[in-house]
Amino acid sequence: NAGVTQTPKFQVLKTGQSMTLQCAQDMNHNSMYWYRQDPGMGLRLIYYSASEGTTDKGEVPNGYNVSRLNKREFSLRLESAAPSQTSVYFCASSGEGPDYEQYFGPGTRLTVT
Amino acid sequence: GEDVEQSLFLSVREGDSSVINCTYTDSSSTYLYWYKQEPGAGLQLLTYIFSNMDMKQDQRLTVLLNKKDKHLSLRIADTQTGDSAIYFCAESLSGYSTLTFGKGTMLLVSP
Repeated sequence: NAGVTQTPKFQVLKTGQSMTLQCAQDMNHNSMYWYRQDPGMGLRLIYYSASEGTTDKGEVPNGYNVSRLNKREFSLRLESAAPSQTSVYFCASSGEGPDYEQYFGPGTRLTVT
Repeated sequence: GEDVEQSLFLSVREGDSSVINCTYTDSSSTYLYWYKQEPGAGLQLLTYIFSNMDMKQDQRLTVLLNKKDKHLSLRIADTQTGDSAIYFCAESLSGYSTLTFGKGTMLLVSP
């Protein structure tokens, strides 16, 4: 099992460009998540999907959109990138409770100039 | 609202014990977690404790939970240089799969 995979690993964008970060999991998990990690800020939840066909906003959703394409895949889209979106983005997935352990991908390092 | 707080940095010598502390504010937390992040990698779950437990031991790791003070700690015995990483405390609430993370504690282990 590959676990949680993310593409790309690195990306540089100019302000105003758009891009989609891809995430896939092969653990048959219902729930998937997108976080951003910034120095001194820990992990902040952007969006999550509790099941196929549903998505919900997290703590910092502005400037992002998501698509739960199927049970395996959950993508994050930046329509018009801004320097404030320079960050490391992590995707995670989790199965059913009660412990809700989340499994993380390796991350995408995004720089917006 | 939920808030999870940790000290930002801890430095120890190899072979010593490390204790990383965390406080949380939501008394309805059901599970509390410790995740480890090595440089350039994602987070990996180290251990977790259910809120009706006071202590959990797993090899070199000991988790202590003080519900009255809403205080969680992670003790690493015989700390090794390979334990150098950022450690995140996180909590989940009953019925919700989302987690709230602290800002992380950077553990530096020197030889």
